[in-house]
Amino acid sequence: GESVGLHLPTLSVQEGDNSIINCAYSNSASDYFIWYKQESGKGPQFIIDIRSNMDKRQGQRVTVLLNKTVKHLSLQIAATQPGDSAVYFCAENYSGSARQLTFGSGTQLTVLP
Amino acid sequence: EAQVTQNPRYLITVTGKKLTVTCSQNMNHEYMSWYRQDPGLGLRQIYYSMNVEVTDKGDVPEGYKVSRKEKRNFPLILESPSPNQTSLYFCASRPHPGPANYGYTFGSGTRLTVV
Repeated sequence: GESVGLHLPTLSVQEGDNSIINCAYSNSASDYFIWYKQESGKGPQFIIDIRSNMDKRQGQRVTVLLNKTVKHLSLQIAATQPGDSAVYFCAENYSGSARQLTFGSGTQLTVLP
Repeated sequence: EAQVTQNPRYLITVTGKKLTVTCSQNMNHEYMSWYRQDPGLGLRQIYYSMNVEVTDKGDVPEGYKVSRKEKRNFPLILESPSPNQTSLYFCASRPHPGPANYGYTFGSGTRLTVV
């Protein structure tokens, strides 16, 4: 079946630096993508989404980039803070599938003081 | 507060003893789903429900049952739990089954251990 994966399982950054978390997806028909943040002991929390008719979307301190040519998604976090330490998941959806989202395995982001 | 509530948060049980994990949402969402989360495998969908009395299998439905008799509740039932069902379980909901809105709200999770 189709899968969503992440290039790196862990990422450590200095506080104040920018973070970039990458995600590769394999279903070229996927038309909607979401990034989730999961803190220890909590459920995933929505961060930002993007539709396939866009290549960039910005939120508060976060930017998602979508490259459909190479089926790649990235999450950029500006001025990373200790509270950003968490596992980040990308998820893809194909609107023709009732099963909804397919999640990647996650990247652990650690912010160093 | 809009939320998805799961109970219990932690559960240790023995092989073969039936158990139910409850899930309730107060947002009047049509769509609800159960996921299990295992190290290195991410979130895998067990079952989902697009509305009351409408349920369907996800990617890993074996050993699980669900029901959707009311819009707000979507319990996960393990008739005869086995150790390979030891996992972290999440319930999630969102408003419309259609393409307009995919934002999920997740519960806080249920950590199940089957010995």
